Amino acid sequence: NAGVTQTPKFRVLKTGQSMTLLCAQDMNHEYMYWYRQDPGMGLRLIHYSVGEGTTAKGEVPDGYNVSRLKKQNFLLGLESAAPSQTSVYFCASTRLESGDTQYFGPGTRLTVL
Amino acid sequence: RKEVEQDPGPFNVPEGATVAFNCTYSNSASQSFFWYRQDCRKEPKLLMSVYSSGNEDGRFTAQLNRASQYISLLIRDSKLSDSATYLCVALWDGYNKLIFGAGTRLAVHP
Repeated sequence: NAGVTQTPKFRVLKTGQSMTLLCAQDMNHEYMYWYRQDPGMGLRLIHYSVGEGTTAKGEVPDGYNVSRLKKQNFLLGLESAAPSQTSVYFCASTRLESGDTQYFGPGTRLTVL
Repeated sequence: RKEVEQDPGPFNVPEGATVAFNCTYSNSASQSFFWYRQDCRKEPKLLMSVYSSGNEDGRFTAQLNRASQYISLLIRDSKLSDSATYLCVALWDGYNKLIFGAGTRLAVHP
């Protein structure tokens, strides 16, 4: 049982390049989330999904797109990376029950030059 | 105004000390609250949930005051291994969306 995994762990992009971050969970969780964490700002929700085939915007969705084609996977895409998207990205998942624990992946450190 | 506010610290305390962290939240509709722990360059992990009646888990005690919209975490007999950032978290809605505070950094020294 691997829990929540993220690939890649590190990435350096040039401005304007695109990339996709992959999140996978093997706990059969319904809900999945993408956050970014910047110094002094805590985690902020980018997008989330309440089930396969559904996605919704979070607090800071601009510049990102997501897809949840399979229940266990949640993809975060950057179509045209900008230096402001330099951050640590965390994926999380949880069950349906309200207030249930969110389990986080180990994070992806992204630098956009 | 941030929705969940915490004192960023750092709190530098000796081993064995008692330390308290405070947190305020702005959304009076928030129903559930949590403390997460985050070690340097690692993912956040749930430390404990916070209940109105207060709850204790070993050396850790969490309290919620809904009238004042205030949450606290008390750590007794601090250990070196308690050094981390502690994140105050509010449940936002039925989709289990969480709102995180920026975190309070704790450094326990010998």
